[in-house]
Amino acid sequence: EVQLVQSGAEVKKPGESLKISCKGSGYSFTSYWIGWVRQMPGKGLEWMGIIYPGDSDTRYSPSFQGQVTISADKSISTAYLQWSSLKASDTAMYYCARHRKPRHLDAFDIWGQGTMVTVSS
Amino acid sequence: VIWMTQSPSLLSASTGDRVTISCRMSQGISSYLAWYQQKPGKAPELLIYAASTLQSGVPSRFSGSGSGTDFTLTISCLQSEDFATYYCQQYYSFPRTFGQGTKVEIK
Repeated sequence: EVQLVQSGAEVKKPGESLKISCKGSGYSFTSYWIGWVRQMPGKGLEWMGIIYPGDSDTRYSPSFQGQVTISADKSISTAYLQWSSLKASDTAMYYCARHRKPRHLDAFDIWGQGTMVTVSS
Repeated sequence: VIWMTQSPSLLSASTGDRVTISCRMSQGISSYLAWYQQKPGKAPELLIYAASTLQSGVPSRFSGSGSGTDFTLTISCLQSEDFATYYCQQYYSFPRTFGQGTKVEIK
């Protein structure tokens, strides 16, 4: 079964760092782009960026460039989203999702279950 | 950046109704458009890609149409499990963008 399994919910303080993960299984992890999508409480979906684990080619939305870092470790089929200094406005659900076709930039067909990040003093 | 206008933001309908959701782009995107369904507390699910191709396993009452700048998602006969929020997404250029969402609620 093709699936993406994300790390668990996090509660952090402003200024702290954080790295959340998304582990792929059931398919060739290095062949499909993986993206990250933010959903703030009660709001819509926001595309943050994507990475191709095969060569670590990464694209960011200008809204998130410099605010987060997307990476991947192909040896353990895992993608990451990290912050160096969290803000209260980073409080949101974060989803990882896989592109539909190998090597192609496409729609997201497989989604992780989401990781809730809460940033509060 | 390609801006997307999705309408309506809220749609009240009854089981058995035919409903239509619109997504308009600020510039042409050929057919590089997807539609997703999201239920409360769940991750989104892909319904349609390439503007009109039904994802495997999605009921045939869902259909998509359009190309260029104007796109439509139609649910031909609304079922109870279809009450959810729907999003369009363009994957023609970076950054990818989502529409604002349409919540389909019970009338």
